[in-house]
Amino acid sequence: GESVGLHLPTLSVQEGDNSIINCAYSNSASDYFIWYKQESGKGPQFIIDIRSNMDKRQGQRVTVLLNKTVKHLSLQIAATQPGDSAVYFCAETSRGGTSYGKLTFGQGTILTVHP
Amino acid sequence: KAGVTQTPRYLIKTRGQQVTLSCSPISGHRSVSWYQQTPGQGLQFLFEYFSETQRNKGNFPGRFSGRQFSNSRSEMNVSTLELGDSALYLCASNLEVPSTDTQYFGPGTRLTVL
Repeated sequence: GESVGLHLPTLSVQEGDNSIINCAYSNSASDYFIWYKQESGKGPQFIIDIRSNMDKRQGQRVTVLLNKTVKHLSLQIAATQPGDSAVYFCAETSRGGTSYGKLTFGQGTILTVHP
Repeated sequence: KAGVTQTPRYLIKTRGQQVTLSCSPISGHRSVSWYQQTPGQGLQFLFEYFSETQRNKGNFPGRFSGRQFSNSRSEMNVSTLELGDSALYLCASNLEVPSTDTQYFGPGTRLTVL
């Protein structure tokens, strides 16, 4: 039969705008979260991480917000540039227990930045 | 410091064959994880090795196996290939100290099964 691919959410912005990419996670036991950027033909590239004892963390042009009450994660990119165009994935894991080294990924969001 | 390297980068096989993929982690990293990425299923965890021991395994059939060597390099093997095994296979390494659990990914091996 015909395979059905994932329909990734898309976000299209103008260069210079701020971008917000959202992610809902499923495991309430997850205590460590990572955002990755994947460009065509490449492996996922680490952007920023956050632990469950925090609700906000800032990096260079990026901010991650964590809302454990509703199990929601967001990535904010300031002054988005054409080089930010890629697929963005959130990933979750639980340090300890039986989940060593296992990241569970979201489906991804395609970000397109127009010059 | 060199990143995670994977070989080969591209591979074409036919159904029923077997394949071995290789991963060299970042120097000093002892944990290696493998993931399969397909358009239909996204990124899915295969297995993870630490100090030559498989520590965690995803929900994949027994045709998928792996191992880790004393120098932390890892290989994964897929036997009796099926068309659905066509995917990008990603390896990630982790320093695994209390301050960070970040996994750093290699460029992947693109496997096509004909």
